[in-house]
Amino acid sequence: GAGVSQSPRYKVAKRGQDVALRCDPISGHVSLFWYQQALGQGPEFLTYFQNEAQLDKSGLPSDRFFAERPEGSVSTLKIQRTQQEDSAVYLCASSLNLGGVGTEAFFGQGTRLTVV
Amino acid sequence: LAKTTQPISMDSYEGQEVNITCSHNNIATNDYITWYQQFPSQGPRFIIQGYKTKVTNEVASLFIPADRKSSTLSLPRVSLSDTAVYYCLVGYNTDKLIFGTGTRLQVFP
Repeated sequence: GAGVSQSPRYKVAKRGQDVALRCDPISGHVSLFWYQQALGQGPEFLTYFQNEAQLDKSGLPSDRFFAERPEGSVSTLKIQRTQQEDSAVYLCASSLNLGGVGTEAFFGQGTRLTVV
Repeated sequence: LAKTTQPISMDSYEGQEVNITCSHNNIATNDYITWYQQFPSQGPRFIIQGYKTKVTNEVASLFIPADRKSSTLSLPRVSLSDTAVYYCLVGYNTDKLIFGTGTRLQVFP
């Protein structure tokens, strides 16, 4: 598998439950990003890692959202005490390096979270 | 990051050339212009990136005038499979891609 892999593809959670979304980036990619996409909207930035370091988490909507990438490869986005407004598609992307011409981000298919 | 403005939707027919224009009046000197394509139930996919003048690849062309305050994505001879949302992004680093609402392109037979 050469692409970014996300699991699960679909997740239904009852309001108040905790969820964990997994992202397997492309092997060797230094940068990893999480985005949230509401229906009919463009993706919105949540957080960014360079290797294991979380360099920007300014987009996380509340302290219920937490992301980690402990070994600089796989990343997990955790949402505690889910609310209905958390329902969205969560996209993960990775890129080989940071910045400059030709740097592109490769996105996974996303995890569709529905909170009921 | 510079804000972008693009049409909400466009319609076309198979075989036609489609041009989607994006306005970015506040683009900074170091900013690049990047276009992504997104199909339903998939993540965005990089199409093309440029800084000035014209860039062409196997998928599309990107035209950027001298003042760089706008750019035009050109899709030659579209097919039904080009029906998607197209996003114009402006920035220097890829650490925080800012997506707008994009342009929904619908291609008809």
